[in-house]
Formats: sequence, C-alpha cells, structure tokens
Amino acid sequence: GAVVSQHPSWVICKSGTSVKIECRSLDFQATTMFWYRQFPKKSLMLMATSNEGSKATYEQGVEKDKFLINHASLTLSTLTVTSAHPEDSSFYICSATRRSLAVVKDEQFFGPGTRLTVL
Amino acid sequence: AQSVTQLDSHVSVSEGTPVLLRCNYSSSYSPSLFWYVQHPNKGLQLLLKYTSAATLVKGINGFEAEFKKSETSFHLTKPSAHMSDAAEYFCVVSDLAGTASKLTFGTGTRLQVTL
Repeated sequence: GAVVSQHPSWVICKSGTSVKIECRSLDFQATTMFWYRQFPKKSLMLMATSNEGSKATYEQGVEKDKFLINHASLTLSTLTVTSAHPEDSSFYICSATRRSLAVVKDEQFFGPGTRLTVL
Repeated sequence: AQSVTQLDSHVSVSEGTPVLLRCNYSSSYSPSLFWYVQHPNKGLQLLLKYTSAATLVKGINGFEAEFKKSETSFHLTKPSAHMSDAAEYFCVVSDLAGTASKLTFGTGTRLQVTL
C-alpha cells in the first residue's frame, strides 16, 4: 500500500513551453502533497505544500506563477512549469501523506520522480 | 529552524563489512528523524524512522539507527553490506508543527559497495 505515481517519468520540451507533471496516490487518499526539486548530486528542496481544495503554500524563493500547483482531489496533484527555460531542468519529485489517524502523520510516500529537460 | 548534516558525501565499503552513515541534526522541537534510500531511477524509500519511542530503531534490509539526543546524532548502520545496498541515502528531519510535517533533507551520502 501507499504507492505514489508520477507521470511522465521524463519529459523534454522546448524553451518557452509549459509542462504539466501529475502526482497520484494510487491506493490511498492524500491529505497533503508536497513537491520537491532535486538538482544533480544535490539534496531535495521543498518547493511547495498543497492541501486538497486549497491554494498551495510555496517555499521562500519559489515563484508561484512559474510553478503552478493544483490539488483538485485527494488522489491527484499537478505541477505545471510555465514558460520553461533551461534553468528549470531538474528532477521533480512529489510525495503524499496518508489520510489516516492510524498512520504516523508525518510519514511521506514518494513518487519515482519526473526528469524535466528544457532545450 | 531545523537542519541535518550528513558528514560524508561518499562512503565506500567492501561487501560483507559494516556500514556507517553519519548524520547530525538540529531542531527546535522534539524531532522525528528518518533515513530514506534512493536507488538510481527509483523513488525514495523509507528505511526507518524515529518518532520519540525507542532510541534504537530497526528498519528494513538490516539497517538500524540510534537516536542520541546528547550528541544530536542519528547515524545509520548495517552489520554487513550487500551489493544491493549501493545507493544514495538521505537523513531527514521533520518539523512536527501543523497537520502535515515539512521534511528537511540532508545533502545525501552515496554508498558504494565493492567486491
């Protein structure tokens, strides 16, 4: 149980276009989903936290108009990189916390990541 | 503010020898601490977690970690390394404030296992 998927697993796009990445909790309802960015040989940096049905909370330094997050249901969150540029190339990872009182509330389940390359 | 410091960016061990990956943390609260492993092209997998219960935590695949408050450490160990343990390991601290905690990741330790 507690499987999180991401789609696509990798994407290449031209500079100036927008790219949407989906994050789904496959077998549980996710109260909260998180989006991270990981640079090569670097740690994961939290970009934003999203709760179902409300606006995402962005970390300092993350442009909310650049990285649009939508969390329309308890099993789906999307990250749209708008007007992508080469510096947006990175590995984007989502995670989700499970809606269950029986589970340690701060255990996050991670998706496999999406590699974005902007040409 | 919370933070974690992974003291080694790269550790190399021979198969069958012990593994020690070091982690120190800083937290204003009683922290929850985690170790995650990331294999190439795979998602992050939780190895073990400490949430204020027993200070010696046993995880999957023979890994364990000991929470030492006096040393603010949470080092990861395994008695005997296996080739399949080669991966990137992240020490993570959780901010318990709010309904969903924010995780702060260390910079990672790449474990290499040689024959």
